[in-house]
Amino acid sequence: DAMVIQNPRYQVTQFGKPVTLSCSQTLNHNVMYWYQQKSSQAPKLLFHYYDKDFNNEADTPDNFQSRRPNTSFCFLDIRSPGLGDAAMYLCATSRGQGSTEAFFGQGTRLTVV
Amino acid sequence: DQQVKQNSPSLSVQEGRISILNCDYTNSMFDYFLWYKKYPAEGPTFLISISSIKDKNEDGRFTVFLNKSAKHLSLHIVPSQPGDSAVYFCALRGGTSYGKLTFGQGTILTVHP
Repeated sequence: DAMVIQNPRYQVTQFGKPVTLSCSQTLNHNVMYWYQQKSSQAPKLLFHYYDKDFNNEADTPDNFQSRRPNTSFCFLDIRSPGLGDAAMYLCATSRGQGSTEAFFGQGTRLTVV
Repeated sequence: DQQVKQNSPSLSVQEGRISILNCDYTNSMFDYFLWYKKYPAEGPTFLISISSIKDKNEDGRFTVFLNKSAKHLSLHIVPSQPGDSAVYFCALRGGTSYGKLTFGQGTILTVHP
């Protein structure tokens, strides 16, 4: 049974057109993360929520925003996608304090045309 | 400034032989070390981990070794099987309360029958 679910699996958006990626979890974990992974590169953390507290990585562009309306759901909003934003976006969860591993969803492959 | 490096983009091994995947890091603050496995079009799945107070952890065919003085982590798979063919990422936790992971770029392992 999938525990971290990302929708859609594949998303095509137009240059400059806002797009939202979604993630849900059934694990009741405190922390939810969004990672960006470009081809042949390491997954890069964009931001995370610890419960309702939002934490942005220092180098995450302002073009990327996130919302977490409740424990189960987290959204990634890209306000004006550029060609350079084409990537795999990975959502992950962890219990939080003292936790070690993170559980990943299957990812959303974003294409910008 | 890349804190975690997997210097081998790919590795090819014969079925039944040993696969050795390597990971080097620069930051002494990392306290927990994980390996993830990723198949195409899927999210990373947790494989095995080790804390900084140990130098070896074994789970079936998988063994992780940690050399803190050399800041080096390795994953041994014995015997290798064709189903092990995937991308392997090392991921290091920096001792934060929210479990942020810093990933290497990944190594593509191909196990030939």
